[in-house]
Amino acid sequence: KQEVTQIPAALSVPEGENLVLNCSFTDSAIYNLQWFRQDPGKGLTSLLLIQSSQREQTSGRLNASLDKSSGRSTLYIAASQPGDSATYLCALRFYNAGNMLTFGGGTRLMVKP
Amino acid sequence: DGGITQSPKYLFRKEGQNVTLSCEQNLNHDAMYWYRQDPGQGLRLIYYSQIVNDFQKGDIAEGYSVSREKKESFPLTVTSAQKNPTAFYLCASSIYSGTSVETQYFGPGTRLLVL
Repeated sequence: KQEVTQIPAALSVPEGENLVLNCSFTDSAIYNLQWFRQDPGKGLTSLLLIQSSQREQTSGRLNASLDKSSGRSTLYIAASQPGDSATYLCALRFYNAGNMLTFGGGTRLMVKP
Repeated sequence: DGGITQSPKYLFRKEGQNVTLSCEQNLNHDAMYWYRQDPGQGLRLIYYSQIVNDFQKGDIAEGYSVSREKKESFPLTVTSAQKNPTAFYLCASSIYSGTSVETQYFGPGTRLLVL
């Protein structure tokens, strides 16, 4: 069974700090990996999608990397702001899972002013 | 505006009662999904549907049922057989394809509580 793990479960940083969120997975046979943001009591918003053939994707202050050989992805947030406070989830689409996504448990980020 | 709507935002269930959560999308997506999220945890797939009149069980389908009579709608019924239904339920949709990389779009969620 494919597993997706996110560590740490929670993270608190002062405003302005650069930070890295981690996602690890047990099976490298993937179509793609996505990073989502979830605000409390809300649905998910897609941040970045990395195809299996790509190494990274960037959007504004966000940069996501993918290393299939080591089963790891990172989400780098530059110059963090209080508005970045949310839960960040990674999700993978594995080869043998059709169009289904397998989610990690998420990292709850708090950026303090 | 195109998007996914879920209703109600909050739902209360009494013991032994079946309740139905609504999910509607106007994105013309073929595929729709239902996920369950427990506090502090990721999402787990309950059911998914790739085309009208067809649906498949996900990882935690026991105690739930779905229907897909219209492309736009994918209601989820939480039956009395689901003994621990308190959770946040999220609906999503996507273009269905075998290998391409379309993303899933999520609704705002329904929080189900047991009285």
